Amino acid sequence: DQQVKQNSPSLSVQEGRISILNCDYTNSMFDYFLWYKKYPAEGPTFLISISSIKDKNEDGRFTVFLNKSAKHLSLHIVPSQPGDSAVYFCAAINDYKLSFGAGTTVTVRA
Amino acid sequence: ETGVTQTPRHLVMGMTNKKSLKCEQHLGHNAMYWYKQSAKKPLELMFVYSLEERVENNSVPSRFSPECPNSSHLFLHLHTLQPEDSALYLCASSQGQGDYEQYFGPGTRLTVT
Repeated sequence: DQQVKQNSPSLSVQEGRISILNCDYTNSMFDYFLWYKKYPAEGPTFLISISSIKDKNEDGRFTVFLNKSAKHLSLHIVPSQPGDSAVYFCAAINDYKLSFGAGTTVTVRA
Repeated sequence: ETGVTQTPRHLVMGMTNKKSLKCEQHLGHNAMYWYKQSAKKPLELMFVYSLEERVENNSVPSRFSPECPNSSHLFLHLHTLQPEDSALYLCASSQGQGDYEQYFGPGTRLTVT
């Protein structure tokens, strides 16, 4: 049973505009959420995280929003750059176990 | 070398073969993980080792056998695999078992024929 879902397999955005990636989860016991970024032929790399006690965390161009009542989180990238083209995975943690979404492929158009 | 390395990067094996995947981390971490990623599916946690002891076996078939001889090395021994085991196998490490941030290797692309 998939506890973390990324319902959009792909996203195309123009350079300079905002990219919004969405993630839904079902397990209310998750206490920490992360976004990972993956380039082809490389492993996922940690991007940004948020604790379940917060609703927003910002790091440069990246902001993660958490809506616990809706069991939903999103990642905003602004402005989007060509180097942001990658697969983005949402992940959630309960009892040190990471559960991943299937990923969203972002393509930033010049 | 830095980070988490995995060898081989690509592996093709028959169903009767025995092979091993190797992972090495140069980060001084104490916890290591094996994940499987099948096409179009999320990463699935397979095994967790903390301080060289296995703390999690996520209902993985016995044809996959992990080994952690020390905190820097992790192996996944493979035998009598099935074609549906073809996937990307990713190794990761973290400072401790409960640490949220995991560092991933580039993965081994396994094809079982």
